[in-house]
Amino acid sequence: DIQMTQSPSSLSASVGDRVTITCRASQSISTYLNWYQQKPGRAPKLLIYAASNLQSGVPSRFSGSGSGTDFTLTISSLQREDFATYCCQQSYSAPYTFGQGTKLEIK
Amino acid sequence: QLQLQESGPGLVKPSETLSLTCTVSGGSISSGSYYWGWIRQPPGKGLEWVGSIYYSGSTYSNPSLKSRVTISVDTSKNQFSLKLSSVTAADTAVYYCARQEYSSLNWFDPWGQGTLVTVSS
Repeated sequence: DIQMTQSPSSLSASVGDRVTITCRASQSISTYLNWYQQKPGRAPKLLIYAASNLQSGVPSRFSGSGSGTDFTLTISSLQREDFATYCCQQSYSAPYTFGQGTKLEIK
Repeated sequence: QLQLQESGPGLVKPSETLSLTCTVSGGSISSGSYYWGWIRQPPGKGLEWVGSIYYSGSTYSNPSLKSRVTISVDTSKNQFSLKLSSVTAADTAVYYCARQEYSSLNWFDPWGQGTLVTVSS
């Protein structure tokens, strides 16, 4: 199975900050990488697919980049509603695997 | 607006079979562009893909669950279902159903709200 490792596991930031979360795959997955946002007690929501494509309806302050084994999710200017847990998912090969999550908290 | 809703018992005894159904509304499960998947999340832990099904009945699942997983589809009811046999406490989790992009990108969106299944005697 392809292992997905996210860093950091938690992050404190303020409204208006620029934030970057990293996801690393245990082998090359090209751009088969998706990002999700999950709020407590809620289902995950797709933000970015295929490494850099913004899902319809997702604010443009979210962006993704990377290919191969290293990927990043960037939030350009944090809004209050962005405080949540973010996780990556590789869709290169089954079994599809997820990162352990990065919890973004208010400083 | 496509919506998915999980249903099924919230408590299952060890060694028994967990059974859940996902009802799809606002769209047809027979759309050829998507698979339909199950993903679970143990309390306080990360997400784990369980398995997926196409409307034709073609399925694939996580080898970590070995042969315990059965996924089926009922296109007449716009539903798909998960059965997980011989459950243990390790199968306690929130179980989500989700639409899965089919061509190659395999992202999951949207998701159902999730249902907590506890395995306990």
